[in-house]
Amino acid sequence: AQSVAQPEDQVNVAEGNPLTVKCTYSVSGNPYLFWYVQYPNRGLQFLLKYITGDNLVKGSYGFEAEFNKSQTSFHLKKPSALVSDSALYFCAVRDVGGYQKVTFGIGTKLQVIP
Amino acid sequence: GAGVSQTPSNKVTEKGKYVELRCDPISGHTALYWYRQSLGQGPEFLIYFQGTGAADDSGLPNDRFFAVRPEGSVSTLKIQRTERGDSAVYLCASSLTRGGGGTQYFGPGTRLTVL
Repeated sequence: AQSVAQPEDQVNVAEGNPLTVKCTYSVSGNPYLFWYVQYPNRGLQFLLKYITGDNLVKGSYGFEAEFNKSQTSFHLKKPSALVSDSALYFCAVRDVGGYQKVTFGIGTKLQVIP
Repeated sequence: GAGVSQTPSNKVTEKGKYVELRCDPISGHTALYWYRQSLGQGPEFLIYFQGTGAADDSGLPNDRFFAVRPEGSVSTLKIQRTERGDSAVYLCASSLTRGGGGTQYFGPGTRLTVL
């Protein structure tokens, strides 16, 4: 079985400061990893994904994430937070050797304080 | 179209009624997915179509739930004898490739309320 853990319900950060949203995963084989963002009353928007190759993945809106196989983590980061980054962030995983089913975490609310 | 569309955006029904939720994927996307998102939770996988066939329906909670994609494009999620516990936002996503790295693009969802 595959699973995702997002240990923080909410992350607060001051505007201009770096932000990190944590994610750890569990799969039986190798993972495909994804980050999505959800704004109020909007659908999920794709931010970035890790498939293979470079452990540091760069995505939309200045976000990046680092794949760490030994720690089974895929934390989302941004060097300088914007108030407009405030939203709900979801980490998701799929087992490379498995079916198409993608498992999402419960989400982390990011609040950027002006 | 420009993105995944879902209709209706909101659906209120009474317990025991039948509902249909529609998803129109991005043109040319062969893979289509249905998820259910309850309040305070992440999306929960329901079913995956590759073309017209349901390749994985392991997430459907029971036999009251059924989905079709007869022509390999539009999909309909059907719920019979609705229960209050079915209230949630139902999300549809599509992707270009059946490969595992294929990015899923989500629609805005249908908010289902069962009274």
